[in-house]
Amino acid sequence: DGGITQSPKYLFRKEGQNVTLSCEQNLNHDAMYWYRQDPGQGLRLIYYSQIVNDFQKGDIAEGYSVSREKKESFPLTVTSAQKNPTAFYLCASSIEAWGLAGKGRDIQYFGAGTRLSVL
Amino acid sequence: GENVEQHPSTLSVQEGDSAVIKCTYSDSASNYFPWYKQELGKGPQLIIDIRSNVGEKKDQRIAVTLNKTAKHFSLHITETQPEDSAVYFCAASSFLNNDMRFGAGTRLTVKP
Repeated sequence: DGGITQSPKYLFRKEGQNVTLSCEQNLNHDAMYWYRQDPGQGLRLIYYSQIVNDFQKGDIAEGYSVSREKKESFPLTVTSAQKNPTAFYLCASSIEAWGLAGKGRDIQYFGAGTRLSVL
Repeated sequence: GENVEQHPSTLSVQEGDSAVIKCTYSDSASNYFPWYKQELGKGPQLIIDIRSNVGEKKDQRIAVTLNKTAKHFSLHITETQPEDSAVYFCAASSFLNNDMRFGAGTRLTVKP
């Protein structure tokens, strides 16, 4: 059963603590993305990765970090520098990476999300 | 960069009626326009998309129309059912700048 798996579903962060959100996909997609969703707002891009060992900052990368050591995995760390981390975090993947066949970013699959709250 | 505006923010219809959600975009280079449905506590799910080389696309009760000249596109849901109740997001993407922007979402409620 293919798809994107995010874990945990709920996460609580103490002040000054770094927390890591997991995102795994078995779709063999090259590109993966992290979005932040706040109430009443659209999705905002945090980081994206077009290929293993490469990633780029999105619109709101400050206070976050990522790694892409494997094609299947794209974990997101919310650092203590992120002062307002409470949000719903969504991971996504796309079949075509940027520049291939001129297709661009066609996001077709999202994970179920992780809701992060501050204690 | 691209800016996507979505209206209305909330929409309530009676079961069986039609629902229309509209989005406008600013970047004339945008060429891909997906629509996503998000149920409570879940991730968005792609329900239909359209590329800039067509003006309309239908899939059963769902249709999307695109007016490139006016830079707007719309989602049409006919014969609405209670299970259509969700938040719907539009998005616009351009392969020239590898950027996808989302609208703020429309909360659709279908009353039985």
